[in-house]
Amino acid sequence: NAGVTQTPKFQVLKTGQSMTLQCAQDMNHEYMSWYRQDPGMGLRLIHYSVGAGITDQGEVPNGYNVSRSTTEDFPLRLLSAAPSQTSVYFCASSFWGADTGELFFGEGSRLTVL
Amino acid sequence: GENVEQHPSTLSVQEGDSAVIKCTYSDSASNYFPWYKQELGKRPQLIIDIRSNVGEKKDQRIAVTLNKTAKHFSLHITETQPEDSAVYFCAASIKVTDFGNEKLTFGTGTRLTIIP
Repeated sequence: NAGVTQTPKFQVLKTGQSMTLQCAQDMNHEYMSWYRQDPGMGLRLIHYSVGAGITDQGEVPNGYNVSRSTTEDFPLRLLSAAPSQTSVYFCASSFWGADTGELFFGEGSRLTVL
Repeated sequence: GENVEQHPSTLSVQEGDSAVIKCTYSDSASNYFPWYKQELGKRPQLIIDIRSNVGEKKDQRIAVTLNKTAKHFSLHITETQPEDSAVYFCAASIKVTDFGNEKLTFGTGTRLTIIP
């Protein structure tokens, strides 16, 4: 199993550009989520999904869209990039929500917005 | 929403000594408390977790304690080794729907350095 795979690993955008961070998992996890990690602020939840067709907002959802058309994929879309969205983004998945055990993280995607 | 505070932000200990990291949470409905370790440039990985019906859990050199009344929980690492150097995150989760605990709130992290 590859686990949780994120692409791209690095991306530089200009303000106002849009892009999609891809996330795929091959563990048949119902739960998938996106976090951003900023220095001194820990990991903050952006959006999450508990199954195909079901998504909900986390702590910092503004400026981001998600969709979940399949169990395996959970892309994160930046609609109009802003410098405040410069961060490291992690996708994570687990069985039936975080209470059931381990969150499996991808390797992260480092995004810089100029 | 849930708020998790973590202290200290940095911690240096001599190799072989113990390290303790403390977290407090705000929502008394939180019932799941994991700890993640993140080595430099790597992804976070679960090292231990505890549920609200348990007061303490151990796994070799690592232990977590939970005080529900005071709403705080702690990570204890004994006999520290150089490979324990990393950033450690606590987290708290509240059950939102019947599916499970979907919203995991993380602390701001503790950078632990083991001095040889």
